[in-house]
Amino acid sequence: DAKTTQPPSMDCAEGRAANLPCNHSTISGNEYVYWYRQIHSQGPQYIIHGLKNNETNEMASLIITEDRKSSTLILPHATLRDTAVYYCIVRFRTGTASKLTFGTGTRLQVTL
Amino acid sequence: NAGVTQTPKFQVLKTGQSMTLQCAQDMNHEYMSWYRQDPGMGLRLIHYSVGAGITDQGEVPNGYNVSRSTTEDFPLRLLSAAPSQTSVYFCASSYSIRGASTDTQYFGPGTRLTVL
Repeated sequence: DAKTTQPPSMDCAEGRAANLPCNHSTISGNEYVYWYRQIHSQGPQYIIHGLKNNETNEMASLIITEDRKSSTLILPHATLRDTAVYYCIVRFRTGTASKLTFGTGTRLQVTL
Repeated sequence: NAGVTQTPKFQVLKTGQSMTLQCAQDMNHEYMSWYRQDPGMGLRLIHYSVGAGITDQGEVPNGYNVSRSTTEDFPLRLLSAAPSQTSVYFCASSYSIRGASTDTQYFGPGTRLTVL
């Protein structure tokens, strides 16, 4: 699976959009980009995933660059409950030993 | 649905003791896995299972055993606990396609284990 690079921490004011970047320059053509988050002391929570096209669901939007070497997770209206560590993961959708390789992620702090 | 449940929430062991961490899911997921998370680090895969009766090793399997007798349950056994196994343990489950986990893994709340 391709390696990802994320900033260690970011701040965002409540009500504003939080834009979390991720670099994955070695991504291959059939690897997906996944985002999970982990709120303090809880188990990780799936947010969104995509391959080439931008994706949106009730939680967030995922913007993937045309060359697929980077992506951005957007939380459109961040709240205090969005304070968490956000993990960007690149992996094949299927494989004989599929697993999630979590890096150290980005610690997002949402403030009043 | 209860989702993925784990027991106990907290556990303190002495070096050399054995114990079993329980994990259960009620979503009829085929794929289940165990991760450990150490301070300041991401999750590391210990063992996983693609269905009842089938298990395999992850990145850090030493010191842990698993079995999968039913679809619902995937216990993790520590045969002889060591201080290096002090960690937070997460169980996860998902649908599988051709033996591989699909898009969304559902995680349990975790078990916080301290080995003295």
